Amino acid sequence: DIQMTQSPSSLSASVGDKVTITCRASQSISVYLNWYYHKQGEAPKLLIYAVSTLQNGVPSRFNGSGSGRDFTLTISNLQPDDFATYYCQQTYNTPRTFGRGTKVEIK
Amino acid sequence: EVKLAESGGGLVKPGGSLRLSCGASGFSLSSYAMNWARQAPGKGLEWVASISSSSSYVFYADSVKGRFTISRDNANNSLYLQMNSLRAEDTAVYYCVRVVEYSTYYFDFWGPGTLVTVSS
Repeated sequence: DIQMTQSPSSLSASVGDKVTITCRASQSISVYLNWYYHKQGEAPKLLIYAVSTLQNGVPSRFNGSGSGRDFTLTISNLQPDDFATYYCQQTYNTPRTFGRGTKVEIK
Repeated sequence: EVKLAESGGGLVKPGGSLRLSCGASGFSLSSYAMNWARQAPGKGLEWVASISSSSSYVFYADSVKGRFTISRDNANNSLYLQMNSLRAEDTAVYYCVRVVEYSTYYFDFWGPGTLVTVSS
């Protein structure tokens, strides 16, 4: 199975800040890397697919990058609604493994 | 508007069975592969099972293989998860998820989830 190591597990930031979340796969996963946003009690939402393509309706302050094994999600100008948990996911093969999540909290 | 609505969750004793359903609307279910995913209390997201658009291919996480069965009824716009031999560690919110698999593969739409609690 491909392991996804996501860091940090949590971070504190203020509205307007820029934050970076990293995800490393245990092997190369080409472009099969997606990012999701999840607020407790709600349905998870797709943010970015194929490393860097924003899902419809996702603000441009979200940016995905990377290749091979190492990937990054950057959120610029953090907004109040952005405080949530973010997950990376590989879909290169089954099982479709997720990272353990990064909880973005208000400082 | 795309909608996915899970149902069938509840409290069940260890060793028991439960069948989850997911009703789809706002799109043609027959055009999409579908998945189930879950989140245990205090834990992250976990993929559970997937089924191709025509039911030709099914895949399971090792943690549920041999106990869970994913199926679908495209004519009735429904996805199912039959869960047998349930364990305490199966306690989770279960999500029905639509998949896009054109040149890449991603979970583009999730239902709100249904809670399954396995406890005596």
